[in-house]
Amino acid sequence: DTAVSQTPKYLVTQMGNDKSIKCEQNLGHDTMYWYKQDSKKFLKIMFSYNNKELIINETVPNRFSPKSPDKAHLNLHINSLELGDSAVYFCASSLSGTGNEKLFFGSGTQLSVL
Amino acid sequence: GENVEQHPSTLSVQEGDSAVIKCTYSDSASNYFPWYKQELGKGPQLIIDIRSNVGEKKDQRIAVTLNKTAKHFSLHITETQPEDSAVYFCAASHNSGGGADGLTFGKGTHLIIQP
Repeated sequence: DTAVSQTPKYLVTQMGNDKSIKCEQNLGHDTMYWYKQDSKKFLKIMFSYNNKELIINETVPNRFSPKSPDKAHLNLHINSLELGDSAVYFCASSLSGTGNEKLFFGSGTQLSVL
Repeated sequence: GENVEQHPSTLSVQEGDSAVIKCTYSDSASNYFPWYKQELGKGPQLIIDIRSNVGEKKDQRIAVTLNKTAKHFSLHITETQPEDSAVYFCAASHNSGGGADGLTFGKGTHLIIQP
């Protein structure tokens, strides 16, 4: 069983479109995250959710909106896609979200905006 | 906020030799320092971590050292093997006491093991 699974693995779309990436964890963790990895491999946190409450929003454009129907899921919606949104997006989870614990990452979604 | 610097960006070593990756951090409140390994096409995976109450930790061929005074920590891999080829990330964080500040990652080191 995959601990953190995200879909799709690849997403190719046109500029201006709206798209979603789904993430699910079966570890019973309380906190889930979205990270963006750019072409230079730099990992930057975008959001985290703890028991359905947004904890972090690291100056991400409001075109990006996380949605968590329950603590096992954290989906990422992106409106009006731009060329600069092309990157690999990773979902992750951790037990309680204290900041000093192991993160479990999904395998990533490679987003290409044409 | 926290700033983590990681060096080198690329490291090529002969199979069997040792590899060392170094990181520095800026926030003296940071007390948790994990290392993640990312293989091609996969998400990062934790390989070892160290907390500020210890200076060194070992797990088979992997060791991490921490110097709190100098605010730097290092990853040491001995007897390198082809499967060690990957991108390695250091990170720093502190327990925010109920919130979730998240980890601050270094920019990564591409480790290449030459046969």
